[in-house]
Amino acid sequence: QSVLTQPPSASGTPGQRVTISCSGSSSNIGSNTVNWYQQLPGTAPKLLIYSNNQRPSGVPDRFSGSKSGTSASLAISGLQSEDEADYYCAAWDDSLNGHVVFGGGTKLTVL
Amino acid sequence: EVQLVQSGAEVKKPGESLRISCKGSGYSFTSYWISWVRQMPGKGLEWMGRIDPSDSYTNYSPSFQGHVTISADKSISTAYLQWSSLKASDTAMYYCARGQGSYMDYWGQGTLVTVSS
Repeated sequence: QSVLTQPPSASGTPGQRVTISCSGSSSNIGSNTVNWYQQLPGTAPKLLIYSNNQRPSGVPDRFSGSKSGTSASLAISGLQSEDEADYYCAAWDDSLNGHVVFGGGTKLTVL
Repeated sequence: EVQLVQSGAEVKKPGESLRISCKGSGYSFTSYWISWVRQMPGKGLEWMGRIDPSDSYTNYSPSFQGHVTISADKSISTAYLQWSSLKASDTAMYYCARGQGSYMDYWGQGTLVTVSS
């Protein structure tokens, strides 16, 4: 049972816009920034979005993040076949001396 | 170029000890935290803990506190994750990642640990 809640799956067709939600609580998302990671099949995770809505260099602007209260979301516009991957949200949690918490992950399928 | 290179796959028996490593290069090793993340077969990511290589200060996830030890040798830009007595449930892929504030911006390639009798 992950501290952050994500839908286990999402799907879309090429060119569509899809969103993935991430729900937390006051001790994590409610008081800290949210980060998103992309894990392509068989590879290490990669930072996709940091500090709620910032993209690292090299990440296409098709990817965007937002946060409101204790929830966050990742949006992918102009969906491409290479976007098929697992997506994880994460945030610092202030409880118990502080630690990072992840969502359970969302498997995105491009139909 | 920032790189984190992890040690190779390990196959161990229950009860054995193990230390895996993560060597950083291309940046100032003591300026960033190193975190360790577990991924059990077919499962999601779990943050285990992190270390500040400049002073070896650590903090652990409550789920992993007491079960693993994170350490670092700044003289060789290497962080470690170790177990004193492995269990079958420790079978997983383990990733190290460079910490930038609350997020992890560069990741190692992963070390697969298999624990089986």
